[in-house]
Amino acid sequence: GAGVSQTPSNKVTEKGKYVELRCDPISGHTALYWYRQSLGQGPEFLIYFQGTGAADDSGLPNDRFFAVRPEGSVSTLKIQRTERGDSAVYLCASSLAPGGVENIQYFGAGTRLSVL
Amino acid sequence: AQKVTQAQTEISVVEKEDVTLDCVYETRDTTYYLFWYKQPPSGELVFLIRRNSFDEQNEISGRYSWNFQKSTSSFNFTITASQVVDSAVYFCALQDYKLSFGAGTTVTVRA
Repeated sequence: GAGVSQTPSNKVTEKGKYVELRCDPISGHTALYWYRQSLGQGPEFLIYFQGTGAADDSGLPNDRFFAVRPEGSVSTLKIQRTERGDSAVYLCASSLAPGGVENIQYFGAGTRLSVL
Repeated sequence: AQKVTQAQTEISVVEKEDVTLDCVYETRDTTYYLFWYKQPPSGELVFLIRRNSFDEQNEISGRYSWNFQKSTSSFNFTITASQVVDSAVYFCALQDYKLSFGAGTTVTVRA
């Protein structure tokens, strides 16, 4: 596809449930990022992949959050035992490279997660 | 730690007025990139401009221009002759590899 694709666009779940959010980056982009945006705030970094490996997961709030990118393309953000405070828009971005002139991050439309 | 401050929460203008958005940043890195992104009501973050830390030349791209001043750690952004379609939230961001965003400035352009 031409841009970063995120599915689902909206996810409503109940407290305590498990959810998976999917990100399909721009073809050829080796770097992939997850951010979380709460209402009225700027996006906050969660995790960054270079290829298949998580190069920096320092933004994950706790061990209920986990992300994978097994083949270096599609990534899945997984949240266990969801809490109401997890409600936010989860944004995925990709770039050709993490640094240098190829570091422009292009974002998907996000997944709006609502935990009831 | 990286920090970006956008002091303006909301700006409202009438169409064709110019809009200047302020951004101040903090970093210990000597090499970094600064960005402006636009987030329209649809929610998708749209890349607008990028500036690296070793090039302070200010530029104009269409109706967008920016003023990067390393001495004051500021990276201000101007929309010239605003249009209703410019209504959105604008984010300034600082990058090492990950982006650190400001809180955003909501711009409303009235017809």
